Amino acid sequence: GENVEQHPSTLSVQEGDSAVIKCTYSDSASNYFPWYKQELGKRPQLIIDIRSNVGEKKDQRIAVTLNKTAKHFSLHITETQPEDSAVYFCAARKYGNQFYFGTGTSLTVIP
Amino acid sequence: GAVVSQHPSWVICKSGTSVKIECRSLDFQATTMFWYRQFPKQSLMLMATSNEGSKATYEQGVEKDKFLINHASLTLSTLTVTSAHPEDSSFYICSARVMTGSYEQYFGPGTRLTVT
Repeated sequence: GENVEQHPSTLSVQEGDSAVIKCTYSDSASNYFPWYKQELGKRPQLIIDIRSNVGEKKDQRIAVTLNKTAKHFSLHITETQPEDSAVYFCAARKYGNQFYFGTGTSLTVIP
Repeated sequence: GAVVSQHPSWVICKSGTSVKIECRSLDFQATTMFWYRQFPKQSLMLMATSNEGSKATYEQGVEKDKFLINHASLTLSTLTVTSAHPEDSSFYICSARVMTGSYEQYFGPGTRLTVT
C-alpha cells in the first residue's frame, strides 16, 4: 500500500512569515494529492489539491508543489496569519482508491 | 453542495453498551463512504470502506464484529461500536465520495465518543 510521511510534526512561525510543510509518498501510481486543514474538534477541510499532471498550483496565499520523480509534494503558506494556526494533513491517493494521510503538522502562527 | 452530516456530534456511553453513529450525504448520492478514527493529536486512520449494498471492507487490525458498518442507501452509512470499552473513546469521522473513481471526498463533522 501507500506510505505517506509528513514533516515537520510541529511548526511555529511569526505572523507574516512563510510556512512550508513537506510530504513524501511511496506509490508512484498515486495521482491525487490534497491538503487538509483541521481545527481542534472539527472536520478536515480541503484547502488545496494537486493532480499528478500538474507541477504547481496556487490559490492566493496557499500553494502546492509536486515533484513526481522524487515522489514528494509540499504546502506553502505565505504571509501567515494567526487564523492559519491549525493541524495540516497531506494525503495521497490512486484513482478510485482510498486516501492515505500523512501524520499531520501542527502549525502555530505567533502574532 | 456536497454536505456530509454526522449524528450524534458527541456521545457518552457506559462500558459494555453499543453506540450507533450515522453518516449522511445531504445533497448528493455517495456510492462509497469511509470511516476514520482519530486519536488526539494523531492522524486520521481509515477503519473501513463501505459501498452501498455490499459488505464493508475493513482495514487490517480493525475488528469487523466490533465495528459494524451498514451502508443501506446511497445517502446513509452507519457505524455501530458494539460492547464499547474506554479504549474505543475517540473521534470518529466519516467521508463520502460522490461517485466511483471521483477524486473528491467530503468529510462529516465527526462524532466524539467517550466510553466511561
